[in-house]
Amino acid sequence: DAGITQSPRYKITETGRQVTLMCHQTWSHSYMFWYRQDLGHGLRLIYYSAAADITDKGEVPDGYVVSRSKTENFPLTLESATRSQTSVYFCASGDYNEQFFGPGTRLTVL
Amino acid sequence: EDKVVQSPLSLVVHEGDTVTLNCSYEVTNFRSLLWYKQEKKAPTFLFMLTSSGIEKKSGRLSSILDKKELFSILNITATQTGDSAVYLCAVEARYGNKLVFGAGTILRVKS
Repeated sequence: DAGITQSPRYKITETGRQVTLMCHQTWSHSYMFWYRQDLGHGLRLIYYSAAADITDKGEVPDGYVVSRSKTENFPLTLESATRSQTSVYFCASGDYNEQFFGPGTRLTVL
Repeated sequence: EDKVVQSPLSLVVHEGDTVTLNCSYEVTNFRSLLWYKQEKKAPTFLFMLTSSGIEKKSGRLSSILDKKELFSILNITATQTGDSAVYLCAVEARYGNKLVFGAGTILRVKS
């Protein structure tokens, strides 16, 4: 189906573990984004990508790694999860000035 | 530092009321301002504003941008319980389609 999907939708992990959140879009949008949403902070940009093999840091990149080997996929990896990374993570894709959001992944780090 | 501030943080109204949500911003190289509605899922796009003084309308929702005073308002007339949501304002700054989001306004419409 066309659109943007994220997996898993829910994840519980432990401090220190590596976690990868997946994002897949079928629109062939050039840009893809990862946000985290926390109460009182709204949506904050973690990383974004302008095209395959081009990524750049957003507002809160520390503790996260991204890659984009294919236009349609933009995985986000927490190399060593911390409790402060408990959040809802949204992936988005888009072109000029309009972003379409995935359904979100709720991550809990114990 | 780029900043987007929304007010009020939360609002409770009765069905039929009109509400005005505010968004002020400080960003370098402003390109556009966007409004999103977020219910219990991902944000959905409402409006994109690029020019001052031109009202965008969609049904009972409307929005306008003032680039001189650096703010935007989102109006909802004849509110319904289905309008209950978090309304997010975002501004595109600098380059590369990056958006800076405000913290959102939580709107609750009581029947």
